[in-house]
Amino acid sequence: KAGVTQTPRYLIKTRGQQVTLSCSPISGHRSVSWYQQTPGQGLQFLFEYFSETQRNKGNFPGRFSGRQFSNSRSEMNVSTLELGDSALYLCASSPYGDTDTQYFGPGTRLTVL
Amino acid sequence: SQQGEEDPQALSIQEGENATMNCSYKTSINNLQWYRQNSGRGLVHLILIRSNEREKHSGRLRVTLDTSKKSSSLLITASRAADTASYFCATDAGSNYQLIWGAGTKLIIKP
Repeated sequence: KAGVTQTPRYLIKTRGQQVTLSCSPISGHRSVSWYQQTPGQGLQFLFEYFSETQRNKGNFPGRFSGRQFSNSRSEMNVSTLELGDSALYLCASSPYGDTDTQYFGPGTRLTVL
Repeated sequence: SQQGEEDPQALSIQEGENATMNCSYKTSINNLQWYRQNSGRGLVHLILIRSNEREKHSGRLRVTLDTSKKSSSLLITASRAADTASYFCATDAGSNYQLIWGAGTKLIIKP
C-alpha cells in the first residue's frame, strides 16, 4: 500500500496570506489527524476527521480549519498567516482513529515571511 | 499542551554504545508510543507499549513502562550512525483520537 502523502512538501508564504495543505491517507483509512510541530511548542494536535466529520479539535485559533472529503483526503487551511505559523505540519491516517494504528506522512514545511 | 517531558534533551554517544532515553507523562494512559524523526521529516513509529505491559522488545529496541511513576524508557542497543535522529514519546490518554507528545530527545551517534 502507498503511504500517507502530503502536498506540497515545502511552502513559503507571507504574513496575511492564507494557505491550504493537503493530505491523502493510506487507502482504506477513514481517519486523518493533523499536527503542528515547531521548535518552541513541539508537536501539538490540531484536529481529527473521520468520515468527513471533525471529531476532535486542539487548542488553536479559528484561523486554523480543516475538512475531509468523501474519499478521505483531507485539507487544512490557515488564514491570515502569522510568523508563528511557520512549522512542519504533519498528518496521520488510521482506519478508525485509533492512535495505535496511525501512520504519519512526511509533512509540509511552511515558512511564513 | 505537552503531556510529558523527555530526558535527556540531547544525547551524544559513540557508535556501538547503548542509548537510553526517558519519558515522563502526567495523566493515566491507554498506551505509550515511541517515534523517530530524522532531520525534521516525518515520524516513524518504533514501538507501542500498552498500559498493562511493563516491557516490550523490538529488534534492538527495548521499552519499559512504569505506570506508578508515569514514566517510560527507550533503550537502543548497539547504536549505529543511522540511529542519529530525534526520538519522541507520545501518549494516548483516551482523549479522543489524539496523541500527546513529549519534547523529544536528540540522539547523535558518533562514528
